Amino acid sequence: AQSVTQLDSQVPVFEEAPVELRCNYSSSVSVYLFWYVQYPNQGLQLLLKYLSGSTLVESINGFEAEFNKSQTSFHLRKPSVHISDTAEYFCAVSRGGSNYKLTFGKGTLLTVNP
Amino acid sequence: EAGVVQSPRYKIIEKKQPVAFWCNPISGHNTLYWYLQNLGQGPELLIRYENEEAVDDSQLPKDRFSAERLKGVDSTLKIQPAELGDSAVYLCASSLGPSGGPETQYFGPGTRLTVL
Repeated sequence: AQSVTQLDSQVPVFEEAPVELRCNYSSSVSVYLFWYVQYPNQGLQLLLKYLSGSTLVESINGFEAEFNKSQTSFHLRKPSVHISDTAEYFCAVSRGGSNYKLTFGKGTLLTVNP
Repeated sequence: EAGVVQSPRYKIIEKKQPVAFWCNPISGHNTLYWYLQNLGQGPELLIRYENEEAVDDSQLPKDRFSAERLKGVDSTLKIQPAELGDSAVYLCASSLGPSGGPETQYFGPGTRLTVL
């Protein structure tokens, strides 16, 4: 079975500060990793994903995440956040095979203050 | 292009009453998912359809929950009878699938159910 742990339920930061949202996973097989973002009153949107290849993946709005197999982690980072980044962020894992079931973490609420 | 549409957005019912949620996936998406999201938790898969076939319903509580996807497009999730513990957000998602690899799932805004 696979599982995801998001170590922080809430992360408050000031605008233009760097941020890291932590995600650790457990799985006995190779995995695919995802970060989804949920803005208030909206559905979840895919932010970025790791399937294979380069362990550093980037999103179009400045977020990046690094797949670390030895640490079983997929932490999300941004060097300078904006107020508009305020949202809930979910880390998810899917394993290979014929059933790409997503297992989500509990989410981290990022609040960017002016 | 329209995203995943869900209705209603909010529903308040009394316990023991039936309730139904409707989902219209993105046009051309063959795979449809229903998720349950409890407060403070991540989404949990209830059922996955490929076209009109339910290929994974292992997490669906079949004593009170049912789902259908007639004609392989729209889908309805029903609870009968609802219990207090069913209060949650019900999310629908869709993807192109199946493609032989993990796919991006596109989520609707969800239906927030409150059972009194």
